Amino acid sequence: GDSVTQMEGPVTLSEEACLTINCTYTATGYPSLFWYVQYPGEGLQLLLKATKADDKGSNKGFEATYRKETTSFHLEKGSVQVSDSAVYFCALIMNTGFQKLVFGTGTRLLVSP
Amino acid sequence: DVKVTQSSRYLVKRTGEKVFLECVQDMDHENMFWYRQDPGLGLRLIYFSYDVKMKEKGDIPEGYSVSREKKERFSLILESASTNQTSMYLCASSFMSGGGYNEQFFGPGTRLTVL
Repeated sequence: GDSVTQMEGPVTLSEEACLTINCTYTATGYPSLFWYVQYPGEGLQLLLKATKADDKGSNKGFEATYRKETTSFHLEKGSVQVSDSAVYFCALIMNTGFQKLVFGTGTRLLVSP
Repeated sequence: DVKVTQSSRYLVKRTGEKVFLECVQDMDHENMFWYRQDPGLGLRLIYFSYDVKMKEKGDIPEGYSVSREKKERFSLILESASTNQTSMYLCASSFMSGGGYNEQFFGPGTRLTVL
């Protein structure tokens, strides 16, 4: 079945460091891809998305590019802030049938001042 | 702003008790979902509903049931709580797809502990 694999955490960085969180997927067709973020004590929020190959999603300084050839959707940010500390989930949805989100296991990011 | 609210943030119950988790959304969304979130497992879909009184099993429905009597409210029921149901439960809602993806909006979660 469809699945998402993302890197284990926690990822610990100092403020202003560069961030990459790896995400790869397995799907029988052509999914849409998402990054969700969960801040402490809150539910998930959609951070960015990409619906077809070579699309780049971006929001709040985060970017991810849909790479069909490597089945990847890595999350990047050039300079992280303490306020970016959260759990990040990569997810996919197939564009046919009922739209069920398939999530990765989540990666916790800790940014220290 | 879309709002999805859940009845409790923290809940402690005993093994064998019947547990109700309530979710309410205020955006007239057709679709509603219940997930559980566990460390190392991410989010897993328990049940979803695409209309009043309609329900579909997700990936892990065993030990759970749901009720959707009104469009805005979706309840998750643990008929006889067990310790392996200790988890964070997240509710979400979205519009029915008319082609393309409709964003799911999540509630803050209920952390359930079964003793």
